Amino acid sequence: SQTIHQWPATLVQPVGSPLSLECTVEGTSNPNLYWYRQAAGRGLQLLFYSVGIGQISSEVPQNLSASRPQDRQFILSSKKLLLSDSGFYLCAWSPGRDTDTQYFGPGTRLTVL
Amino acid sequence: AQKVTQAQTEISVVEKEDVTLDCVYETRDTTYYLFWYKQPPSGELVFLIRRNSFDEQNEISGRYSWNFQKSTSSFNFTITASQVVDSAVYFCALRLDSGGGADGLTFGKGTHLIIQP
Repeated sequence: SQTIHQWPATLVQPVGSPLSLECTVEGTSNPNLYWYRQAAGRGLQLLFYSVGIGQISSEVPQNLSASRPQDRQFILSSKKLLLSDSGFYLCAWSPGRDTDTQYFGPGTRLTVL
Repeated sequence: AQKVTQAQTEISVVEKEDVTLDCVYETRDTTYYLFWYKQPPSGELVFLIRRNSFDEQNEISGRYSWNFQKSTSSFNFTITASQVVDSAVYFCALRLDSGGGADGLTFGKGTHLIIQP
């Protein structure tokens, strides 16, 4: 069966510091991968998605970036964090073909101070 | 652009009552998918159901049932005989069909369901 991991689970960072959140999927190959952010108002917003290694599509312009160095690894980064980057970051995966259900990881709660 | 509206921000009921969570969506596409996810206090989004736009058949899974009506652009979720463990935030979501399966989900703002013992 497939499993999705995210780390760290919780992170507190000062404004202006860099960020690296990691997501890995097990038990599948060539998945589509997604990063979502859930801000304090509970809404979920798609940030990035990827259909393959090195292929990243951005949905919202911001100071965040994403990379996919390996088939089942998806990384969310920032060079300098802003207060507004605080939130709950969720990684999701879906099969690359036919099925379109997205399955979510446990999330990373980021607090920028 | 597509939109999902969950007008009920918070619902509180007593255990064993039935409760319906409303979801209204907007899209000009004829092919799309609708989803419900549950977010317990731990934060992880748990997939509950997926429906495509060509399948209006209602579905029942144990105490959960879903009513999909294209005529009113609604995809409502009913929990029968609610239990305290049902307490969570529930999200309705919409995804368009680009053919490649890579589209993101458009979420509603969620309904916080509180089941009181």
